Amino acid sequence: QVQLQESGPGLVKPSQTLSLTCTVSGDSISSGSYYWSWIRQPAGKGLEWIGRIYTSGSTNYNPSLKSRVTISLDTSKNQFSLKLSSVTAADTAVYYCARESYYYDYGLDVWGQGTTVTVSS
Amino acid sequence: QSVLTQPPSVSAAPGQKVTISCSGSSSNIGNNYVSWYQQLPGTAPKLLIYGNNKRPSGIPDRFSGSKSGTSATLGITGLQTGDEADYFCGTWDSSLRAGIFGGGTKLTVL
Repeated sequence: QVQLQESGPGLVKPSQTLSLTCTVSGDSISSGSYYWSWIRQPAGKGLEWIGRIYTSGSTNYNPSLKSRVTISLDTSKNQFSLKLSSVTAADTAVYYCARESYYYDYGLDVWGQGTTVTVSS
Repeated sequence: QSVLTQPPSVSAAPGQKVTISCSGSSSNIGNNYVSWYQQLPGTAPKLLIYGNNKRPSGIPDRFSGSKSGTSATLGITGLQTGDEADYFCGTWDSSLRAGIFGGGTKLTVL
């Protein structure tokens, strides 16, 4: 059974870089047929897709965040990461990592529990 | 403002049926698969429907999905109080080259 777990600082200062890691257990992140994704949700609001990375390392990003986002893979640790630069209070949200599966017609079939990130001085 | 449009809320009595709509365009729903997610209070979203109308293992057949043109619909029959949650549609947008979600619909079972 595949599980995803987000980790990283819960508090980030304005203008700094938010860094989160998602650890994958129960499957290899190098397996084909999956994209590894980041989604966020401000309190009381909807889901916002941040971006995804394929096992080859190719990425897609939300155009509204593209200039500030980097998603990367660390196959040796079976992890993938999110970096969001120049953060503001508007980046305060619960951040989820998730697996997008070819077998589920690119639906997000496995989600982490989410981690809350607050941007504040 | 979301690219996909959902009603903010719907409600119905226990045992009844409800539908939730998700409206998009040819660059997203019209040419890509739609997924639906259920988010119970305080929890992560859960895949409910994929490929427009397929259910993952373990999802009851009370939940159904359909797509027509640039719109998709989630149906829930035999409503239970445990179905009270936020429901989100999601798909890929070929023009944006990005994933997108609807704004979400809060289901209340009266």
